[in-house]
Amino acid sequence: AQSVTQLGSHVSVSEGALVLLRCNYSSSVPPYLFWYVQYPNQGLQLLLKYTTGATLVKGINGFEAEFKKSETSFHLTKPSAHMSDAAEYFCAVSEIPLWQGGKLIFGQGTELSVKP
Amino acid sequence: DTGVSQNPRHKITKRGQNVTFRCDPISEHNRLYWYRQTLGQGPEFLTYFQNEAQLEKSRLLSDRFSAERPKGSFSTLEIQRTEQGDSAMYLCASSQWTGALSGNTIYFGEGSWLTVV
Repeated sequence: AQSVTQLGSHVSVSEGALVLLRCNYSSSVPPYLFWYVQYPNQGLQLLLKYTTGATLVKGINGFEAEFKKSETSFHLTKPSAHMSDAAEYFCAVSEIPLWQGGKLIFGQGTELSVKP
Repeated sequence: DTGVSQNPRHKITKRGQNVTFRCDPISEHNRLYWYRQTLGQGPEFLTYFQNEAQLEKSRLLSDRFSAERPKGSFSTLEIQRTEQGDSAMYLCASSQWTGALSGNTIYFGEGSWLTVV
């Protein structure tokens, strides 16, 4: 069965520092992978997604993630943190293409804090 | 494009009462999803519709939960005889699927918070 593990429920970085949020997945087939961000009292916003093709995926707000099949990982990075990046981040996986009826299975989330 | 709209945004109810949440998807989106999110957890899939047809229901969706999308547009999620364990945020999401070449993007609403006291 597919699942997602996000290592670290809380991550704190200084403004301008590298952001690294870890995500490992379990899937019996090549997965479709997603990162969403959730600001307080708001819904989820898609940051980026990997479906096929290039394994390094660029998203909004300067974030990117790399699909590493050998490590079953899809870590999210940003070279320089901004105060506005403080939020909850969720990694999600789907074994079946969403257009075929796949659904998102989410990790438990990582709360990112950015210190001035 | 006004986004996915959910109401009410907050609901406090007494245990045993029934509650209903409404979701208005992005116009012309043919797929609609319901998720539940408890504090400190990621969203969990509950059910989804393709137009008016409910195509999949999670085992999390007990008999007390019922979801409808009667005309393939808005959807309602009703919880009967609420329990304290139902306290959560209920998220609605929608997407437009036109086949294999369509995008893989699901758009979420801001959620409806339920507190059962």
